[in-house]
Amino acid sequence: DVQLVGSGGGLVQPGRSLRLSCVGSGFTFGDYAMHWVRQVPGKGLEWVSGIGWRSGNIDYADSVKGRFTISRDDSENTLYLQMNSLRAGDTAFYYCAKAEGSYSGYLFDSWGQGILVTVSS
Amino acid sequence: QSVLTQPPSASGIPGQSITISCSGSNSNIGTNYVYWYQQLPETAPKLVIYRGHQRPSGVPDRFSGSKSGTSASLTISDLRPEDEADYFCAAWDDGVHTPLIGGGTKLTVL
Repeated sequence: DVQLVGSGGGLVQPGRSLRLSCVGSGFTFGDYAMHWVRQVPGKGLEWVSGIGWRSGNIDYADSVKGRFTISRDDSENTLYLQMNSLRAGDTAFYYCAKAEGSYSGYLFDSWGQGILVTVSS
Repeated sequence: QSVLTQPPSASGIPGQSITISCSGSNSNIGTNYVYWYQQLPETAPKLVIYRGHQRPSGVPDRFSGSKSGTSASLTISDLRPEDEADYFCAAWDDGVHTPLIGGGTKLTVL
């Protein structure tokens, strides 16, 4: 079975940085695109960033472009999200999600547990 | 602006069928696969329909998906109390080259 286990969340002050990690198992990690999706408690889902097979494609939502960096280490089956210059509006649960295919056109077929990031002074 | 539009709420009684709509455009639903997710309270989203009408293993056949032009629908037949959840549609958008996710529909089973 596919498993995605996220970590790295917590309480951080505005302007500071945080790095989220997501370890995948039960599938050939390097063969699939991976994404980060966030959700403010009680609100809808917002796609944050995606990275394709062998990091061939990388995209960001306008709301995080220039502040967040997505990366992957296929040898460690791990997806990362480096979040810099954090703002109160970045407070949310962050989900890592495995895509159904290599990138374009294929969306999420498995999700990790939510990682809570709270940005507050 | 590329968006997927869902009704914010829907309701039904046990045993009834309910359909949730998702309206998009040619650059997303019109040309790409549609995915539907169920999110129970305090849990991660779960895929219930992929590629428009396919069901992952373990998802009851009470769940079905369809698409017509630039709109898609999720139908849940024989509604059960455990179906009460938020449902989100999603599709890749060729214009912005990113995934789009609908605003979600809160389904209440009366």
